Amino acid sequence: EAGVAQSPRYKIIEKRQSVAFWCNPISGHATLYWYQQILGQGPKLLIQFQNNGVVDDSQLPKDRFSAERLKGVDSTLKIQPAKLEDSAVYLCASSNYLEETQYFGPGTRLLVL
Amino acid sequence: GDSVTQMEGPVTLSEEAFLTINCTYTATGYPSLFWYVQYPGEGLQLLLKATKADDKGSNKGFEATYRKETTSFHLEKGSVQVSDSAVYFCARGTNAGKSTFGDGTTLTVKP
Repeated sequence: EAGVAQSPRYKIIEKRQSVAFWCNPISGHATLYWYQQILGQGPKLLIQFQNNGVVDDSQLPKDRFSAERLKGVDSTLKIQPAKLEDSAVYLCASSNYLEETQYFGPGTRLLVL
Repeated sequence: GDSVTQMEGPVTLSEEAFLTINCTYTATGYPSLFWYVQYPGEGLQLLLKATKADDKGSNKGFEATYRKETTSFHLEKGSVQVSDSAVYFCARGTNAGKSTFGDGTTLTVKP
């Protein structure tokens, strides 16, 4: 089965610009997660979707970050405007509703200059 | 809140050495426990897991035992290989299918 797909793999932008990341989860996985992984740290959850509804976005900086999963499949994470401290790897993961194991994509490495 | 504390790295070992990476977790509830591995340039992938006390997860020669009395889930391997060089993350499950991750331990195995 195909894994979690993410694009782009790398992105370099200047501060105050906007950027969007795309994720396609494993087919049939109802739960989708976006994580931020800063260099030297573990992944930190930004938002969790169950189908197209938000389960947890308590750690999402909503003044600049937004995410959507309109049809309960693909998801987009946007940052607008970006700050220097947003430089990180953005990981998407998905899971089967009945299973706790998460399956991760390769991530998008963002550098904000 | 829920948290995971991992042994700080980096860890450098010679091939065929014994590996231990320590992990402790907060004891709220009865979480599932996981070890994920991240090879260079790749996303995290599940290495092993345990869902209840005294369970032992194992995969690719790695093992970890869910110790409720010490709130630990230490990762071990008897003989590491160069191909085991990666970053290892301990994680605990939380409500609603979320996981809390440790900060990772970088392992380098030298020939």
